[in-house]
Amino acid sequence: EAQVTQNPRYLITVTGKKLTVTCSQNMNHEYMSWYRQDPGLGLRQIYYSMNVEVTDKGDVPEGYKVSRKEKRNFPLILESPSPNQTSLYFCASSPPASEETQYFGPGTRLLVL
Amino acid sequence: DQQVKQNSPSLSVQEGRISILNCDYTNSMFDYFLWYKKYPAEGPTFLISISSIKDKNEDGRFTVFLNKSAKHLSLHIVPSQPGDSAVYFCAASNAGGTSYGKLTFGQGTILTVHP
Repeated sequence: EAQVTQNPRYLITVTGKKLTVTCSQNMNHEYMSWYRQDPGLGLRQIYYSMNVEVTDKGDVPEGYKVSRKEKRNFPLILESPSPNQTSLYFCASSPPASEETQYFGPGTRLLVL
Repeated sequence: DQQVKQNSPSLSVQEGRISILNCDYTNSMFDYFLWYKKYPAEGPTFLISISSIKDKNEDGRFTVFLNKSAKHLSLHIVPSQPGDSAVYFCAASNAGGTSYGKLTFGQGTILTVHP
């Protein structure tokens, strides 16, 4: 089944404790992206990647890191989480020549205390 | 600054009637528009899109209309069904530019279709 998977689905952590949210897709997509969803703000792009080893900032990159060492994986790293990073996070991927039509993962709900 | 706005946080419709969801944008560089649907505890799923060279695109019960001069688009669902109850996000992109893949989303509208 073609899908985007994220782990974990739910995470409670404390300020400053480094964490990684994994994202994997099995559709051989080149384009991958991370979003956060907050009430009243919709989805905002954090980082995106056009292909392996090619990443760039989205609209709200502060406090986040990403890497793209393999085509299928695009982990999101919070090196020192803060309470304002409490949010619902979505990973997405899309096929070539149709980057706007994105396939989203199920989401990761993060609470930073 | 919210470049894509969905001013109605919620909409309630009777089954069988038409649902109309609205979206406004401010950035004249946007040339491709999409609607995504989201159920609770799931990620958004692509629903329908429209290029700025068109003013209408239809897919079954779903039709998207684009009014470029007013910078306004709308999604019509006819007839509405209870399974359409979800959050609907409008999104815009400058697909013809260099920032392909970059979507700017609206805040979302919660649609409830009553049996």
